[in-house]
Amino acid sequence: AQSVTQLDSQVPVFEEAPVELRCNYSSSVSVYLFWYVQYPNQGLQLLLKYLSGSTLVKGINGFEAEFNKSQTSFHLRKPSVHISDTAEYFCAVSTSGGYNKLIFGAGTRLAVHP
Amino acid sequence: GAVVSQHPSRVICKSGTSVKIECRSLDFQATTMFWYRQFPKQSLMLMATSNEGSKATYEQGVEKDKFLINHASLTLSTLTVTSAHPEDSSFYICSARAVGGETDTQYFGPGTRLTVL
Repeated sequence: AQSVTQLDSQVPVFEEAPVELRCNYSSSVSVYLFWYVQYPNQGLQLLLKYLSGSTLVKGINGFEAEFNKSQTSFHLRKPSVHISDTAEYFCAVSTSGGYNKLIFGAGTRLAVHP
Repeated sequence: GAVVSQHPSRVICKSGTSVKIECRSLDFQATTMFWYRQFPKQSLMLMATSNEGSKATYEQGVEKDKFLINHASLTLSTLTVTSAHPEDSSFYICSARAVGGETDTQYFGPGTRLTVL
């Protein structure tokens, strides 16, 4: 079975500062990894995903994440955040190939302050 | 591309009534759709997987007779909450997985806020 741990429930940061949201996963098989963002009272929007290939993945809104197989991590980073980045961020994992059920982490609330 | 809609966005109903929520993939075909439930300040919990033309697969602990799922076409899945009670109040989110192309990615709808009085 797979599981996802988001180590920080809340991350406060000042505008234009860099940010890293941490995600670790557990799986005995190969996985696909995803980061989604959720704004208040909305569904989830895909930020980026890792399926295979380059371990550094670039997504929308200036976000990027790096897949580290040895550390079973997929941390999300942005070099300079904006107020509009304030939202809930979810890391998710699914098994590669076949039926792909997403397992979500508990989420990290990113609060960007002026 | 890859737009998923849900209707209604908000619904308030009386206890004991049934509520239907629609999930549509607008610009792609989806053989598989997923239904999630999200409580305030919590993560998404998968309720069931809906496959076009076949019975839904429910996660452990989810009552299939209470949460009826129908996936009648490649662009539409419905979730009916039967005999709703206040404890069913929640944010329900669907997602769809595209046929071909990026089959390993789920695209999410905007969610439906259900309030049962």
